Amino acid sequence: AQSVAQPEDQVNVAEGNPLTVKCTYSVSGNPYLFWYVQYPNRGLQFLLKYITGDNLVKGSYGFEAEFNKSQTSFHLKKPSALVSDSALYFCAVRVDSNSNSGYALNFGKGTSLLVTP
Amino acid sequence: DARVTQTPRHKVTEMGQEVTMRCQPILGHNTVFWYRQTMMQGLELLAYFRNRAPLDDSGMPKDRFSAEMPDATLATLKIQPSEPRDSAVYFCASGTRDRTPPQHFGDGTRLSIL
Repeated sequence: AQSVAQPEDQVNVAEGNPLTVKCTYSVSGNPYLFWYVQYPNRGLQFLLKYITGDNLVKGSYGFEAEFNKSQTSFHLKKPSALVSDSALYFCAVRVDSNSNSGYALNFGKGTSLLVTP
Repeated sequence: DARVTQTPRHKVTEMGQEVTMRCQPILGHNTVFWYRQTMMQGLELLAYFRNRAPLDDSGMPKDRFSAEMPDATLATLKIQPSEPRDSAVYFCASGTRDRTPPQHFGDGTRLSIL
């Protein structure tokens, strides 16, 4: 089954410093990978996706993610963190990469990012 | 800015009562997903529909949960009878036929079963 893992429950970083939120994946076939962000009492918001092509994917709010096939990782990054980036971040993988009908997502457990002033 | 609308935002009820959660997908989106979020299990996919037809509801307890799309503008998730372990935040998301979504999420229904 397609799955992702987020090894860190929480990441703390000082404002202005670079941040990384880790995600590893386990898939059969080509991976379709996503990052979402969730603010308190809100639904998930799409940040970026990797389907094919460049290993470095740029997304919303200055975030980017690096796809690494050899390490089966898809880490989320930002060069300079903002306090407003504090939120819950989810990595996700499309359930079935070989079917037109199966594009539901499996989500990781989420990583809480805290950016301190 | 188009949004997925979920009602109610909050629901508190007693065990055994029927609960109905509603979702209005973004106009033109033909796929609707239901997720449940809890601290212990994280985000779980319950069911999803395309063009109003159920594609997969394997994540949903069949004995008490049911999901339907009466029309293209309304999806419902019902629990009958409700139990305390059903307490969670239920999210609806919608998307297009594109193979590589993003899914657009509503703000959820926070359900508490006493």
